[in-house]
Amino acid sequence: SAVISQKPSRDICQRGTSLTIQCQVDSQVTMMFWYRQQPGQSLTLIATANQGSEATYESGFVIDKFPISRPNLTFSTLTVSNMSPEDSSIYLCSVWGGETQYFGPGTRLLVL
Amino acid sequence: GENVEQHPSTLSVQEGDSAVIKCTYSDSASNYFPWYKQELGKGPQLIIDIRSNVGEKKDQRIAVTLNKTAKHFSLHITETQPEDSAVYFCAASRGGSYIPTFGRGTSLIVHP
Repeated sequence: SAVISQKPSRDICQRGTSLTIQCQVDSQVTMMFWYRQQPGQSLTLIATANQGSEATYESGFVIDKFPISRPNLTFSTLTVSNMSPEDSSIYLCSVWGGETQYFGPGTRLLVL
Repeated sequence: GENVEQHPSTLSVQEGDSAVIKCTYSDSASNYFPWYKQELGKGPQLIIDIRSNVGEKKDQRIAVTLNKTAKHFSLHITETQPEDSAVYFCAASRGGSYIPTFGRGTSLIVHP
């Protein structure tokens, strides 16, 4: 199994600012992902964080808005840039460990 | 791509009753079907999964059934307890490096 921690666990931010979310895994993993979960909604994949190269973004998500870093096999960051109230959501880090997908506890973001 | 439909969106039962959540998928090549439980304020946790080479899998009070012909799978929880109250997500993927597609979630409420 994989144990994932995220920082911060929650934050309240002003519109126009940026927030960087950190994800730390207790073991080396090849595949690392970032999801968004809007209130009462399902899990929407933002991007796959690739170690040593640019992240792979899903349709509707762009690097300028959600820059991602993956400096090694245990750590990644997601930045939510130039935030608006529509960015209020839960952001989840996820990894493939063996043949199972694991999720972090999430970062709850409220943008005012 | 894969499309996963999940029903119902909300399910309310009395403690001790059974609960059934149903999902359908569109990609006939999907062969891995996990179920996740998300408690309030936490990230999704894998509770059970099934692969296409079996029709049913049980783990204590939880069981999952799969009908590949009809492309649907279900989660069954028997003898429900208040601590079963959570949001449950189904997902489907082709396995390997294919990222699962998630259903929209079912909010299960177990009344004591």
